[in-house]
Amino acid sequence: KQEVTQIPAALSVPEGENLVLNCSFTDSAIYNLQWFRQDPGKGLTSLLLIQSSQREQTSGRLNASLDKSSGRSTLYIAASQPGDSATYLCAVRFLTGGGNKLTFGTGTQLKVEL
Amino acid sequence: DTGVSQNPRHKITKRGQNVTFRCDPISEHNRLYWYRQTLGQGPEFLTYFQNEAQLEKSRLLSDRFSAERPKGSFSTLEIQRTEQGDSAMYLCASSLVRPARPLWEQYFGPGTRLTVT
Repeated sequence: KQEVTQIPAALSVPEGENLVLNCSFTDSAIYNLQWFRQDPGKGLTSLLLIQSSQREQTSGRLNASLDKSSGRSTLYIAASQPGDSATYLCAVRFLTGGGNKLTFGTGTQLKVEL
Repeated sequence: DTGVSQNPRHKITKRGQNVTFRCDPISEHNRLYWYRQTLGQGPEFLTYFQNEAQLEKSRLLSDRFSAERPKGSFSTLEIQRTEQGDSAMYLCASSLVRPARPLWEQYFGPGTRLTVT
């Protein structure tokens, strides 16, 4: 079964700290991996998408890496701010089945405190 | 381009009633997806359309669920005889996929929160 796991489930850090969120997936045959942000009761905002041939993507203070062979991705957030508080979801598009859907992890709930 | 929109944003219904949700994708996006998200979980795939054709349905989509995309633009998701277990956030996403183009990112709407009492 193709699964996506995220650890930790929740994380609380002081403002200004750099942090890493982890995502692992059970099948290395993927099209791409996408990181999303979700605010309470809201929809999903796409943060970064990494194609299977790429090693990393960067957007502002965010950097996502991909190690397909080991089934891992990390989302690095630099200089965290209270506005970064949200749930971060990792989603994988697996090759099996044609890659027509995203398989999500359960998310990491981040709180950045003043 | 105003993004993916969903209506209503919230729906409260009594068990046994039918409900219908609407999703308007980003214009010219040919793929439309429905996901369901329960509290504390990631979204789970329900179904997707390529233009007006429904090409895949998850086992989560029981006989009480039906989705349509009649003209290849907006889509509706209907739940008949709602049950308390149907309470969830229903998310719609769209993407543009072309031959020889990598499967690109999905853009999500704000979701419809369903509460079945």
